[in-house]
Amino acid sequence: QSALTQPASVSGSPGQSITISCTGTSSDVGSYNLVSWYQQHPGKAPKLMIYEVSKRPSGVSNRFSGSKSGNTASLTISGLQAEDEADYYCCSYAGSSTFVFGTGTKVTVL
Amino acid sequence: EVQLVESGGGLVQPGRSLRLSCAASGFTFDDYAMHWVRQAPGKGLEWVSGISWNSGSIGYADSVKGRFTISRDNAKNSLYLQMNSLRAEDTALYYCAKSAGGVIAPFDYWGQGTLVTVSS
Repeated sequence: QSALTQPASVSGSPGQSITISCTGTSSDVGSYNLVSWYQQHPGKAPKLMIYEVSKRPSGVSNRFSGSKSGNTASLTISGLQAEDEADYYCCSYAGSSTFVFGTGTKVTVL
Repeated sequence: EVQLVESGGGLVQPGRSLRLSCAASGFTFDDYAMHWVRQAPGKGLEWVSGISWNSGSIGYADSVKGRFTISRDNAKNSLYLQMNSLRAEDTALYYCAKSAGGVIAPFDYWGQGTLVTVSS
């Protein structure tokens, strides 16, 4: 159950697109299409942004999209906005009713 | 409106025990799996444990296996986490999270957390 690997920080200017990677193993990300992404603003509870690799919950902007290739999942934020500045965590099902989170990525809007 | 309210956190000495509770409302509690997720101060999220609607499927992170026990009381719409043999590294904000379905579904609602501090 090692944490999934994410870049510590990613930044972009308003209107640009950024992509956050999430690298796991063949035991978690690579084995299941059960990767989700969470946004967390300082002092707040996490919010579900993407589930099952690429699905968006109701109410989440279509500027957020997800994908997966092999053992690596990705979250792309298009048309970056100031309100997108937050920490982002990926999470994967890892079998036997267990989950593993990513190390987290701080997104900065320049 | 879905509400998850955690309680039971506090300051506890290493080696002692603590029981966290999560009171759920605004949804049919026994239709959904539930989870505990923690976040050490200034650190990232760590999944701790999850339990299916009928307690038939339970999972634990390796870091807490054998020390923590998750349980639920569907009649009381409540989720619990019994934490034994606490260590300094268990210090964290503990979130209760609702699954969007079964135990493998994502976490669609979160509480505000209860802080556990393990220190002598």
